[in-house]
Amino acid sequence: QKEVEQDPGPLSVPEGAIVSLNCTYSNSAFQYFMWYRQYSRKGPELLMYTYSSGNKEDGRFTAQVDKSSKYISLFIRDSQPSDSATYLCAMSWMDSSYKLIFGSGTRLLVRP
Amino acid sequence: DTGVSQDPRHKITKRGQNVTFRCDPISEHNRLYWYRQTLGQGPEFLTYFQNEAQLEKSRLLSDRFSAERPKGSFSTLEIQRTEQGDSAMYLCASSAYDQETQYFGPGTRLLVL
Repeated sequence: QKEVEQDPGPLSVPEGAIVSLNCTYSNSAFQYFMWYRQYSRKGPELLMYTYSSGNKEDGRFTAQVDKSSKYISLFIRDSQPSDSATYLCAMSWMDSSYKLIFGSGTRLLVRP
Repeated sequence: DTGVSQDPRHKITKRGQNVTFRCDPISEHNRLYWYRQTLGQGPEFLTYFQNEAQLEKSRLLSDRFSAERPKGSFSTLEIQRTEQGDSAMYLCASSAYDQETQYFGPGTRLLVL
């Protein structure tokens, strides 16, 4: 079993829809939770960062962390075709390196 | 400074050849990471530098892989005697000492024939 599980999709939605992306994890030591967006053949781009449990909102994006359930989510409101990409969740904990453990990514397609 | 840069962006090599990749982190970021990403998977951690010191290496980093970060600035990742299984995207990321967030470069896509 992987430390971080993420549905690979693809997830296809019409423009303007609310998108929900999710990850589950098994390591209770994770404290820092991130979402990255990756366009084809590009490097990951940091979207959201959350420390511990709670919600964080930034424009059309909302990140949620539920440490009791070991479950994190990213919501995208008013989705746009330009949001079509792979979304990667990533986690780390306070050790010497803060290395990131990634999910496998969810492919999102927003149809015009 | 506009972000993390990597060179080359693409590399095609024959099995058995050596290749070297370069990463230039965001200036004043003293933490530097290398990851490897294969198709349909998330990036996997390879190694970590704090300034010039290589502090952690993954079990994924076989003896054929070596990384350096002289003077705590740019870093190089060398793969000796490449194998077809080394074909992947090699990503570099950097972060400031007091931050948990990492910023990635565009990656170097390696194809071993």
